[in-house]
Amino acid sequence: DIQMTQSPSTLSASVGDRVTITCRASQSISKWLAWYQQKPGKAPNLLIYDASSLKSGVPSRFSGSGSGTEFTLTISSLQPDDSATYYCQQYSSYYSFGQGTKVEIK
Amino acid sequence: EVQLVESGGGLVKPGGSLRLSCAASGFTFENPWMSWVRQAPGKGLEWVARIKSKDEIGTTDYAAPVKGRFTISRDDSKDTLYLQMNSLKTEDTAMYYCTTHRYTWIENWGQGTLVTVSS
Repeated sequence: DIQMTQSPSTLSASVGDRVTITCRASQSISKWLAWYQQKPGKAPNLLIYDASSLKSGVPSRFSGSGSGTEFTLTISSLQPDDSATYYCQQYSSYYSFGQGTKVEIK
Repeated sequence: EVQLVESGGGLVKPGGSLRLSCAASGFTFENPWMSWVRQAPGKGLEWVARIKSKDEIGTTDYAAPVKGRFTISRDDSKDTLYLQMNSLKTEDTAMYYCTTHRYTWIENWGQGTLVTVSS
């Protein structure tokens, strides 16, 4: 099984800050990685697929990068609406998720 | 607009069974792969099961914790996805989400149905 590890588990940042979340895979997954945003009481929402492709309609302040075992999700200018938990997920071999990163607004 | 509406959740005793349904609309149901993903209260996301399209013989795959107890199926004539859950355990307590795939990644999610396994 492929294990996904996210860091940090929580982060607190101010509106306008640049925020980066890291996701590491236990083995190479090429570019087969997605990022989801989940707000309390809601279903997750796809942001990024294939490591760096932005889903249509997702704000351009979100971007993804990486390949192999190391990936990042960046929010270029944090907005109040971005307060949520973010999950990475590999789909190279079945599916597994990171444990999540909770983003809070200071 | 893709809509996925789950139903069938509820309270069940350990060892019991439950069948979840997911009514789909807004897309050609027979085309995409579909999965169930669950989330225990206050915890992260866990993939449960996937079913491929009829063109790929409707191949099914399961996560290790549910293999042999859960069965995923689809009725393309009714645009409905199912999850039959048998021999339920307390650790199966979770919100269960119906999802569609685009190519291989999970793209759309329903709002979920809550399953509680407790005596």
